[in-house]
Amino acid sequence: VSLVESGGALVQPGGSLTISCAASGFTFIDYNLLWVRQAPGKGLEWIAHITSTSRSISYADSVKGRFTISRDNAHNSAFLKMDNLTAADTATYFCVREPSGLAAPVTGFDFWGQGTLVSISS
Amino acid sequence: SSQLTQPPSVSVSPGQTARITCSGDILARKFVFWYQQKSGQAPVLVIFEDHKRHPAVPDRFSGSSSGTLATLTITGAQVEDEADYYCFSTDIRGDQGVFGGGTKVTVL
Repeated sequence: VSLVESGGALVQPGGSLTISCAASGFTFIDYNLLWVRQAPGKGLEWIAHITSTSRSISYADSVKGRFTISRDNAHNSAFLKMDNLTAADTATYFCVREPSGLAAPVTGFDFWGQGTLVSISS
Repeated sequence: SSQLTQPPSVSVSPGQTARITCSGDILARKFVFWYQQKSGQAPVLVIFEDHKRHPAVPDRFSGSSSGTLATLTITGAQVEDEADYYCFSTDIRGDQGVFGGGTKVTVL
């Protein structure tokens, strides 16, 4: 099982960035996906969630209207498009999977990528 | 309220029992999940649906939840259990998630 994030970068305030998550080693369509971020030295923050078929999408209030989560089930990938970035968005962004089936033996966020660092600074 | 409150730190000696609490109104209606994050690593799932232990997690870890208070217990804590622990739940509508602020567990 692997989730590999990429695309983290240094971006100026007000700029945009799209980060990606490449999944392998499991049946991608059987899982919801989400992004969780962690500012340097701080705790975890849930920011966006997308169900297995993209039917349902939700965002934290802190990013609603600025961030867009999506996925491409044909290519086992997920994305987070981030607009109007501010210093408060500086964090490591983790791609996380969650079993989508009601009969899943384990629920919750059962596998995490290693994260990609997004830094917002002028 | 969708906030979850954890103590910033817990310290125990090896072999002692560590208890990490998580409080919030939503816990009376929603499951709590617990994640362990060791320094420089990604988090891992420890407990799901209040008390179910992930198969890869040692049985010294257990979880419970009653009313608005959930507890992660490490019975016979080991040095390798030193980590930050986060509780997680969803808001009452189930469409937003929230983590507690995290508890740093020190075993020495």
